[in-house]
Amino acid sequence: LAKTTQPISMDSYEGQEVNITCSHNNIATNDYITWYQQFPSQGPRFIIQGYKTKVTNEVASLFIPADRKSSTLSLPRVSLSDTAVYYCLVGGATNKLIFGTGTLLAVQP
Amino acid sequence: EAGVTQFPSHSVIEKGQTVTLRCDPISGHDNLYWYRRVMGKEIKFLLHFVKESKQDESGMPNNRFLAERTGGTYSTLKVQPAELEDSGVYFCASSQNQGLHTEAFFGQGTRLTVV
Repeated sequence: LAKTTQPISMDSYEGQEVNITCSHNNIATNDYITWYQQFPSQGPRFIIQGYKTKVTNEVASLFIPADRKSSTLSLPRVSLSDTAVYYCLVGGATNKLIFGTGTLLAVQP
Repeated sequence: EAGVTQFPSHSVIEKGQTVTLRCDPISGHDNLYWYRRVMGKEIKFLLHFVKESKQDESGMPNNRFLAERTGGTYSTLKVQPAELEDSGVYFCASSQNQGLHTEAFFGQGTRLTVV
């Protein structure tokens, strides 16, 4: 399973757009990229998943360049409630999720 | 629809005692997983059930840990005897399918403290 690298932490202010980039240089052809969000004292929660180009849902957008060696999670107009740890996961046909350190996003007023 | 529920939310036990954690997956989800995060470490996979069968238990740390899913519904994770290094948060997750495009739904976790 491909290893991922993402920033340990990021700071932002309410109303700003936040982009969290994840590196996954060893991604395999069958691997998908999935992002999870975790609030304190809760379990991780699925946000978005993609294979290539761009995916958008009601929560976020996921940008994946052609070489798929990285991906960027974009959160539009963050609020205080978006303060959480965001995990980038890469995997194929397996349910053994491999969590890295994640990125702690701190949103300030 | 109820999500994944875990019981208890917190447990404090003494070293050498036994603790049993319970997980109720989302109804209809055949796939059930256990994960844990020990202090300062990343969330790690423990095992995966498909219905009542263990599909993958490669993450189980040692034979003090026993997971069961009798009848393919709820699951229990027993730690016997508990050691100090077992302290951490134990998460359960469930999913309807396996593989690609699979969204795993996590419970809130059980915080285990061994003293």
